[in-house]
Amino acid sequence: QSALTQPASVSGSPGQSITISCTGTSSDIGAYNYVSWYQQHPGKAPKLMISDVSNRPSGVSNRFSGSKSGNTASLTISGLQTEDEADYYCSSYTTSSPWVFGGGTKLTVL
Amino acid sequence: EVQLVESGGGSVQPGRSLRLSCAASGFTFDDYAMHWVRQAPGKGLEWVSGISWNSVSMVYADSVKGRFTISRDNAKNSLYLQMNSLGADDTALYYCTKGSGSGIKKGIDYWGQGTLVTVSS
Repeated sequence: QSALTQPASVSGSPGQSITISCTGTSSDIGAYNYVSWYQQHPGKAPKLMISDVSNRPSGVSNRFSGSKSGNTASLTISGLQTEDEADYYCSSYTTSSPWVFGGGTKLTVL
Repeated sequence: EVQLVESGGGSVQPGRSLRLSCAASGFTFDDYAMHWVRQAPGKGLEWVSGISWNSVSMVYADSVKGRFTISRDNAKNSLYLQMNSLGADDTALYYCTKGSGSGIKKGIDYWGQGTLVTVSS
């Protein structure tokens, strides 16, 4: 099972909005609404930011939002803050190897 | 508070075996599926294996199928990963993770801090 495709890096200035894409296929993102997004700071464990495409867990800032169109899911972060600088990973349930992750996107807040 | 504490990692020679354990607390363990996810040094996340709440469904990534076995003991609130025929590609930080539902389909919502496995001669 190939990994989902994410851009290697994105950047933005404080206060701006950015969107990270996650492209899969009709066997994963396109087939199920089981897409999650995780934030990982250096040396730390990942943290769930979005589940089931667009659900935000309790305690996660409403600056984070998720969506999906066809085989591509997206994570949008509005009002960028310096603490948002981290690696972000998407994941999806699939018809084959049940779960697959994206390659990760490094967010730099300039 | 959900807590997942991994143990059992270490340095091992190629071809040998290792058994990872995860002690869970802060939630009703036997209500949820559990997964193992690994991260090689400087690399991204790789899902390894998952098990349903009642151990009926156990699934594996192709990269570990036939070599790794996932299991759980609901009476002990514990998750395990038996790893055999280890190779250099298995070197990684292994995370114990909690599913958000009883079955494999629901995503991961909590992560442990990980236990490091190093395979080297």
